Amino acid sequence: AQKVTQAQTEISVVEKEDVTLDCVYETRDTTYYLFWYKQPPSGELVFLIRRNSFDEQNEISGRYSWNFQKSTSSFNFTITASQVVDSAVYFCALGGSARQLTFGSGTQLTVLP
Amino acid sequence: GAGVSQSPSNKVTEKGKDVELRCDPISGHTALYWYRQSLGQGLEFLIYFQGNSAPDKSGLPSDRFSAERTGGSVSTLTIQRTQQEDSAVYLCASSLTEGFPTDTQYFGPGTRLTVL
Repeated sequence: AQKVTQAQTEISVVEKEDVTLDCVYETRDTTYYLFWYKQPPSGELVFLIRRNSFDEQNEISGRYSWNFQKSTSSFNFTITASQVVDSAVYFCALGGSARQLTFGSGTQLTVLP
Repeated sequence: GAGVSQSPSNKVTEKGKDVELRCDPISGHTALYWYRQSLGQGLEFLIYFQGNSAPDKSGLPSDRFSAERTGGSVSTLTIQRTQQEDSAVYLCASSLTEGFPTDTQYFGPGTRLTVL
């Protein structure tokens, strides 16, 4: 069975602070993908990034960066210099031999002006 | 191009009535997925389609729930004899293929179902 844990239920930061969202996963698959989705107040899930289990190279894209570590089964997401528009619920998800995604419970990020 | 669309955006119904929720995937996407998002349960998988067939219906919560897909495109999720616990946001997603490992799934805006 697959499982995704996002231990942080809510995070509140002041604009321009950096913030890291944690994600820990469990799977028996040797090949799998990890995803981050953003759900703003409008409700639509927006795809942010996908990483496969063979690619532990971390990436920076603008203000976003991701840290994937297979040794600790973690896939953390960092927003640098946060902005009010980053306020949303962020979901980590796992996809593998079962075609559906297994989602974490989400982290509500609030960025205060 | 156009994203995943869902209709209606909101549906209020009375307990015991049947409802149909529609999903129109991204053009050319062969795989289609239904999920449910509720306060107590988070995001739950319901069913997925590859073309018109549904290899995995394991997430459907009861036999009151059914889904079909026609022409490899539009899908309809039907809930019969709705119950208050069916109240949730029903999300549809599509992906280019149902390739392994999971291809990226793109989500629609959802249908908010309220059962009174």
